[in-house]
Amino acid sequence: RKEVEQDPGPFNVPEGATVAFNCTYSNSASQSFFWYRQDCRKEPKLLMSVYSSGNEDGRFTAQLNRASQYISLLIRDSKLSDSATYLCVVNGGNFGNEKLTFGTGTRLTIIP
Amino acid sequence: EAGVVQSPRYKIIEKKQPVAFWCNPISGHNTLYWYLQNLGQGPELLIRYENEEAVDDSQLPKDRFSAERLKGVDSTLKIQPAELGDSAVYLCASSTSSTNTGELFFGEGSRLTVL
Repeated sequence: RKEVEQDPGPFNVPEGATVAFNCTYSNSASQSFFWYRQDCRKEPKLLMSVYSSGNEDGRFTAQLNRASQYISLLIRDSKLSDSATYLCVVNGGNFGNEKLTFGTGTRLTIIP
Repeated sequence: EAGVVQSPRYKIIEKKQPVAFWCNPISGHNTLYWYLQNLGQGPELLIRYENEEAVDDSQLPKDRFSAERLKGVDSTLKIQPAELGDSAVYLCASSTSSTNTGELFFGEGSRLTVL
């Protein structure tokens, strides 16, 4: 089983719709979790961290379910500019000794 | 503030030739990473440095890959000899080591094509 698994998609979603992705991880001792965004032929950039209590940043909501070992990303009122690949990242290391593992990414295309 | 700088952006070589990539991290970032990213895949860690020390090189294919960060700032990644399967994007990233924020700052990458 891969350390971090994501549905690669593609997800083709009409503008204005809500879309959600899940990501599962195998290491139950994983400490922290993140979503990165990667535009086509660009470098990955941090989108948001995922906290145990869940967190929201504008139209984006991230959730963590430790019992089932998955994290999720919800995008509301999707925009054309949201088209990108969303990478799930899991830190299986301890504080000061990061061991970040990236998922394969979920490709999202917002359709006008 | 300047971001992570990598060069060259693109490199095309024939198999069995050597190639080297250079990375200049963000000033003050002690931690430097080299990742490999194949098309349709997420980045995979090759090596992580804390200052000049390689603290995780378990995924680096040491028979043909080598890396160095002599003064704890710039880093080079070398492949010798290159194979067809090495065609990929080589990403350098840096972060501060004092926190566990998980925020890595990536360079634009060096795209390698091996013919």
